[in-house]
Amino acid sequence: DAMVIQNPRYQVTQFGKPVTLSCSQTLNHNVMYWYQQKSSQAPKLLFHYYDKDFNNEADTPDNFQSRRPNTSFCFLDIRSPGLGDAAMYLCATSRGSRDSLSQETQYFGPGTRLLVL
Amino acid sequence: DAKTTQPPSMDCAEGRAANLPCNHSTISGNEYVYWYRQIHSQGPQYIIHGLKNNETNEMASLIITEDRKSSTLILPHATLRDTAVYYCIVRRRGNNRKLIWGLGTSLAVNP
Repeated sequence: DAMVIQNPRYQVTQFGKPVTLSCSQTLNHNVMYWYQQKSSQAPKLLFHYYDKDFNNEADTPDNFQSRRPNTSFCFLDIRSPGLGDAAMYLCATSRGSRDSLSQETQYFGPGTRLLVL
Repeated sequence: DAKTTQPPSMDCAEGRAANLPCNHSTISGNEYVYWYRQIHSQGPQYIIHGLKNNETNEMASLIITEDRKSSTLILPHATLRDTAVYYCIVRRRGNNRKLIWGLGTSLAVNP
């Protein structure tokens, strides 16, 4: 089945130690998103890629970076994780179009839960 | 994007219809209503979306009032697996891809 895959499902890192979370998709969607979701809160968009174009949300800390080497893969890099970065990180994809009339449904992966010790 | 308000929690008996309301009184003409749900410890799942007409798919029905200030998501025969947080999201038509999430409704389907 076509899907959005996130590995690992659980990631433990140490305070200040860089960590990378991975996302891959078999949907061949051109837009990929990273969300952060803390306990009992709604998902919060960090940034997204439209093809190779990177779009950062204004309130996303510099500590968070992303790479998209090809259509299928996208990575979230946290340069110096703090205790406050412990959360579920969700990857999503959509089929984007430059046509302003189009709507885009987002499809989510299962998420990676990050624990910072 | 318009804000949405939903009741924080609801209960429903298994096999009965679950009707989840959403208020979006400041919605504008170019904004769609989307519904997603999130089962505990999983990623959000798309359910349905609409602009002004009622919509139905294999998962649910979406009823949008004529003035578009509110909508109702209907799960016609709720099962235990429908227990989840349901998010009503209003999203602008066009290039803005950001989904503005509210706090959602936690639906508990009881046996």
